[in-house]
Parts: sequence; structure tokens; C-alpha cells
Amino acid sequence: NAGVTQTPKFQVLKTGQSMTLQCAQDMNHEYMSWYRQDPGMGLRLIHYSVGAGITDQGEVPNGYNVSRSTTEDFPLRLLSAAPSQTSVYFCASSRVTEQSEAFFGQGTRLTVV
Amino acid sequence: RKEVEQDPGPFNVPEGATVAFNCTYSNSASQSFFWYRQDCRKEPKLLMSVYSSGNEDGRFTAQLNRASQYISLLIRDSKLSDSATYLCVVNMNRDDKIIFGKGTRLHILP
Repeated sequence: NAGVTQTPKFQVLKTGQSMTLQCAQDMNHEYMSWYRQDPGMGLRLIHYSVGAGITDQGEVPNGYNVSRSTTEDFPLRLLSAAPSQTSVYFCASSRVTEQSEAFFGQGTRLTVV
Repeated sequence: RKEVEQDPGPFNVPEGATVAFNCTYSNSASQSFFWYRQDCRKEPKLLMSVYSSGNEDGRFTAQLNRASQYISLLIRDSKLSDSATYLCVVNMNRDDKIIFGKGTRLHILP
């Protein structure tokens, strides 16, 4: 079982470049989300989605866009990369029911220079 | 007040000892609670769910106190392999947000 697949695992961008982080899950989960993790800051929610066609903002949405055209995919777009977006990004998915476990991808380590 | 708060630690505990962490949450309407474990530079993984009646899984015990709005994790007979960061997770089913605490770092000392 693939679970949650994130690509790429590592990426270096120049300031101002744009890119898309890919996230796909094969568990038919309704809920998908993106987090960034910085030293001493824990996991902070960027955007989330409770189903295809529905997205919402988390704690730190600025500079990022998402879309959810299918249940399986939830890409995260950096519109114009900034050094402040250097971080580790995790995608997660779960069912939208109580006590549902969230499954994470392996993370994307992004450096913006 | 932050939505989910944890003591960041680190907790330095000798092997075989018992250690406990607490996590407080601000939204009294929160419905679901979990403890996740994260090893260095890896993705978080579910350690255990936290039920209203409390639950135990081997050396790990989780409890929920709704009146005081905190959950706890107790680790008995700690092992070197328990060294990790433990994340408190609250699912605000009201708006479907899953919020993570910043984590508590645990170091088990030989």
C-alpha cells in the first residue's frame, strides 16, 4: 500500500520561483492537509480540504495556493518563493470521522535561496 | 491562548523510569484527541488515540480530562527507543481542522 506519497523529497528554489509540491493518497480519504514544520515551531497548518472541490485556509496560508480537483490529489503551490518558506512540508490525509488516524507523507525539504 | 500547548522539554529521563507529559487545548468543543510520535527528520506517526475513558497500550497510557481541557501521556519502563518528539493532536471536528502541538522532546538516557 502506497499510503500518502509526496514529491519531491528535496528541492532548492531561487527567490521568486514558483513550484508545486505534489501529494497523492490511495486510501480514499476525504480529508487532506498541508503542514510546514520549522525548528521550535511544530507543525503549522497551511491549507486543508474536506473533499474534492473544497479547500480552506489554516494558520499560515499566505504565499501558498491549493486545489482539490480529485479525492486523491492535493497539490500545494508556492507562487513566488521566499527564503521564509524554507521548511519541511508534510502532507497528511485521514477520514472525516471521529478518532480517525492521520497518515503522513515522508515530507519535502524545501530550501529557498 | 494557543489552541494546543505542550511543554517543549527536553525531558531527559533514565532508562526504566516513568515519564508523563501533558497537553492543554483551548477549544472546549474539540472532539478527538491523539498522541503522535515523530523521530528526527521523519514524518509523524500515530502512537495512540485518546478516549474519554482513558486507554492503555502496553507501556503507554493516555488520558483525557475534559473539565480541565488537557490530555496526558504516561510512559512506563521507558526504553532507549522511546526517545523521540511526542506531538499532541486535537481534531476540532466542528470545522475539521486538525491542530498539532509543538511537541515534547524526550531523551531516554542509558
